[in-house]
Amino acid sequence: ETGVTQTPRHLVMGMTNKKSLKCEQHLGHNAMYWYKQSAKKPLELMFVYNFKEQTENNSVPSRFSPECPNSSHLFLHLHTLQPEDSALYLCASTGDSQGYTFGSGTRLTVV
Amino acid sequence: QKEVEQDPGPLSVPEGAIVSLNCTYSNSAFQYFMWYRQYSRKGPELLMYTYSSGNKEDGRFTAQVDKSSKYISLFIRDSQPSDSATYLCAMRNAGGTSYGKLTFGQGTILTVHP
Repeated sequence: ETGVTQTPRHLVMGMTNKKSLKCEQHLGHNAMYWYKQSAKKPLELMFVYNFKEQTENNSVPSRFSPECPNSSHLFLHLHTLQPEDSALYLCASTGDSQGYTFGSGTRLTVV
Repeated sequence: QKEVEQDPGPLSVPEGAIVSLNCTYSNSAFQYFMWYRQYSRKGPELLMYTYSSGNKEDGRFTAQVDKSSKYISLFIRDSQPSDSATYLCAMRNAGGTSYGKLTFGQGTILTVHP
């Protein structure tokens, strides 16, 4: 399998639930990212990991907790989310200056 | 003022038309410029990548960067219904590592009708 794979593709969760999003890349890239995409808004950077170390947290609320166990895997742990957190969550990776490779995203709905 | 401005459209054109998509930006430190295409229910895919000012052509697609005006464009010649998607501009500065963050425009929704 190649590219960036995200699971699950769709997720519906209650505000008291705990869930996790998974991202896996098979491109040998060293940097991985979480972005949030909401309707009518630009992509919002959430977290950046370089060589498994978090290098940027873009003022993301603590109810979002990232984890990067190795340079191929990235998780986003979710707990006590709000309805306004409903969005498409995109994972991306890069290994050089030629731009990002994105996954297909997880469509999250918080009810 | 947003760092990157992009008209969200929607833009609707007939098949075969030339499409022009544009972004303006305010950060003069941006050096790398990209265009992504995003189909419905998919992640963005990289279409064009340019460094600094100038033109780059790839098949029916041409990317232009005018740093003096802080303006970038994507032209699509002989547009096809399969080009119907959201087009996102993105850019980053040259500082730090190549892993630096990208700043995206809002995206322009394009529909090419037969």
